[in-house]
Amino acid sequence: GQNIDQPTEMTATEGAIVQINCTYQTSGFNGLFWYQQHAGEAPTFLSYNVLDGLEEKGRFSSFLSRSKGYSYLLLKELQMKDSASYLCAVRVRHSGYALNFGKGTSLLVTP
Amino acid sequence: DVKVTQSSRYLVKRTGEKVFLECVQDMDHENMFWYRQDPGLGLRLIYFSYDVKMKEKGDIPEGYSVSREKKERFSLILESASTNQTSMYLCASSKAGQNTEAFFGQGTRLTVV
Repeated sequence: GQNIDQPTEMTATEGAIVQINCTYQTSGFNGLFWYQQHAGEAPTFLSYNVLDGLEEKGRFSSFLSRSKGYSYLLLKELQMKDSASYLCAVRVRHSGYALNFGKGTSLLVTP
Repeated sequence: DVKVTQSSRYLVKRTGEKVFLECVQDMDHENMFWYRQDPGLGLRLIYFSYDVKMKEKGDIPEGYSVSREKKERFSLILESASTNQTSMYLCASSKAGQNTEAFFGQGTRLTVV
């Protein structure tokens, strides 16, 4: 499998900006995904990067550096509803279209 | 609205029972996946399928099998349930192609007693 690392827990304040990092070691890299998962619910897609650079989508942005095996998810203007787990996932060529997930980062947004 | 539906939200089975977890998607997706999710371990891939009657082992296939007789349906089978298979099971599907995200079902919380 792939080695995908992300922090276990983070805390941030409502209205602030938070950056969740993800590092990976893999061969045959074929895309990196970020998912959000609220407690007791299914993961939902947030963003996808396959080329280096920043992808922006409203309050959420995701960055990828393939040479460094590094990505981050940036959440701006944090809201209480952003409290959730954030899952980094890598797709590799030899596993078809399956995603390999990190263990997830639990984000707590406080007032 | 895209939909991945898992047959049960909660399931309690006895050790040694044969267990079927069913997943249906209505998006005409080629790929389907079964994951299990455990605290501290994240989502781990059990099996996936990229076409009818095709299956590939994921990272933790031991103790499981799968069946894909129709494009929309992907079944996970626990041949003889054991307590260490108590977990949250998540089914997902995606369209074939480069830039395609996976859509997840709501999950089945399986408890083996």
